[in-house]
Formats: sequence, C-alpha cells, structure tokens
Amino acid sequence: EAGVTQFPSHSVIEKGQTVTLRCDPISGHDNLYWYRRVMGKEIKFLLHFVKESKQDESGMPNNRFLAERTGGTYSTLKVQPAELEDSGVYFCASSQGLGHFSEKLFFGSGTQLSVL
Amino acid sequence: AQSVSQHNHHVILSEAASLELGCNYSYGGTVNLFWYVQYPGQHLQLLLKYFSGDPLVKGIKGFEAEFIKSKFSFNLRKPSVQWSDTAEYFCAVSTTSGTYKYIFGTGTRLKVLA
Repeated sequence: EAGVTQFPSHSVIEKGQTVTLRCDPISGHDNLYWYRRVMGKEIKFLLHFVKESKQDESGMPNNRFLAERTGGTYSTLKVQPAELEDSGVYFCASSQGLGHFSEKLFFGSGTQLSVL
Repeated sequence: AQSVSQHNHHVILSEAASLELGCNYSYGGTVNLFWYVQYPGQHLQLLLKYFSGDPLVKGIKGFEAEFIKSKFSFNLRKPSVQWSDTAEYFCAVSTTSGTYKYIFGTGTRLKVLA
C-alpha cells in the first residue's frame, strides 16, 4: 500500500515568491490534515479536510495560505507571497475517516520550506 | 484552548537505561492520547494510543504509556532502551468533541548511546 506522498521534499524560495506544496493521501482516506513545524517547536495544526470540504481551518496563519483538495483526492497548500516566518517543515497526514477520534494518522515525509 | 506539553526536549541515555518521557495535556473533556515517533530519515509513525479502558497501554518495540486522568498526563516509558530507539517522540491529543483536530507537543529528541 502506498503511503502519504508529499512533493517537493525541499523548497528554497525568496521572500515574496509563491510556493505550492502537494500532498497525496492514502487512497480512500477521507481525512487529510496539514501541519507545520517550525524548528524546535510543536507540530502545529493548520487545517483539516474531510473529502473535498474544509472541516477546520482554524490553524491557518493568515490569508497568504490557501489550501485546496480537488475532488477529495490530493491536496495543495499554496503560500503567496511567502514570508521569512513561513519557513518550516510542512507535514501532511491522512486517516480513513471512520468517524472517531482514536484513528491513527498516516504522515508524509514532509516538505522542508526555506524562505530566504 | 487545548495544548500538549512535553517537558524534556533532549534526552541522552546509554543503552539498557530506562526511559520515561513526560507528557501533560490541558483539556477538561474526554481525550484520546497518542505517542508518535520519527526515526531519523523516516515518517512520523504511531507508537501507541489510548482511547478507553486500561490506562496502561502497550505499543510497539516494548514501549508503554500510562494515562493518569487526575494528572492530565500520558508519560511514555521503556524499561531498557536500545540504540535503535534514537528518534524524536511526539505526544498528541485529540478530543471527542468538536472537529477532528490532533494537537501535538514540541517533541523530545532521544539519543541512545551504544
């Protein structure tokens, strides 16, 4: 079974540029999450999709961040324009969506974003 | 707001030493608790979880954790660590109300010396 795939694994951009991160969840997983980890800090929740709908986007830092999940399959997270404080590792995770909170999350390997 | 605190940021142990990593959470309702681990160069993966029943939970690779509701704690333990346990460990909590949001702690980097 293929795992959660994230692309790219690393991205280095200049302040003001745009970057789009992609996440392909495990096939059949309804729940898709985006998290971010700034160096040394907690893995911070950004948002949660159930299929194509945004269930909770309370963790999105500001309107420079836009997440989409076309057709309930893969998801993209766009940062436009990028700022220095956006640097960090962006993790995607998915779960089946069986309707309970004890579900296991399957994580991707993350995208290391560096904004210079 | 819910939060998770991990008190030890870096831990260095010799092989065969015992391990205990602290985790406390703040939330007054019913919670599910998790420990995830990230081995060097690998994905985050589930180590163990608690959602009901016996508060002493056993996970993979000899790890266990105890849920103490009165202390809002879910500490991770292993009686005898191995070099291969070198990794970063994250405590996480999800609640049974509201949205399906998992809250993670800051992580603990464990280095086991051979």
